[in-house]
Amino acid sequence: GAVVSQHPSWVICKSGTSVKIECRSLDFQATTMFWYRQFPKQSLMLMATSNEGSKATYEQGVEKDKFLINHASLTLSTLTVTSAHPEDSSFYICSARTETHQPQHFGDGTRLSIL
Amino acid sequence: QKEVEQDPGPLSVPEGAIVSLNCTYSNSAFQYFMWYRQYSRKGPELLMYTYSSGNKEDGRFTAQVDKSSKYISLFIRDSQPSDSATYLCAMSARGNNRLAFGKGNQVVVIP
Repeated sequence: GAVVSQHPSWVICKSGTSVKIECRSLDFQATTMFWYRQFPKQSLMLMATSNEGSKATYEQGVEKDKFLINHASLTLSTLTVTSAHPEDSSFYICSARTETHQPQHFGDGTRLSIL
Repeated sequence: QKEVEQDPGPLSVPEGAIVSLNCTYSNSAFQYFMWYRQYSRKGPELLMYTYSSGNKEDGRFTAQVDKSSKYISLFIRDSQPSDSATYLCAMSARGNNRLAFGKGNQVVVIP
């Protein structure tokens, strides 16, 4: 149980385009979903927290107009990287959990490469 | 001082050995403790979740929490080459969404 699916797993696109990443909880309802960014050989850096039906809460230093998050249902959250540039290239990982104090379950990540 | 300290130094062990990993933390508000395993180019996979001091066992894995010393451990018995991965400790406080992560410990099990 507790499977989180993230799609796509890898995307390469040109500078200036927008990229959408989907995160789905397959076998549970996720009241809260999280988006992380991970640089090589480093731990996860929280970007934002989203609760179903409400606006995401962004961490300090994360541009909310750059990284648009939508949590439209209890099983789906999306992250859109708008007007992506090479410095946005990274490994993006989502996670989901049912209730407060339940552990987060992670997707397999999306490797984003901006040329 | 960082909230969570985890020595990231790579750890190499022969197959069948016991792997011992640990994290220390400074925030006494942390009540929930997790260990995740992350393979290269994959997301973290939950291995153990506990919220009380003491030991919790699941197959070859044992998680240990000592809240008085602010110290948690993960033991892997009879290690296998498939256990080669990065292990992340994570913890959170009551009423707080945020997970505090250790830097991760790269483990290599040599056949």
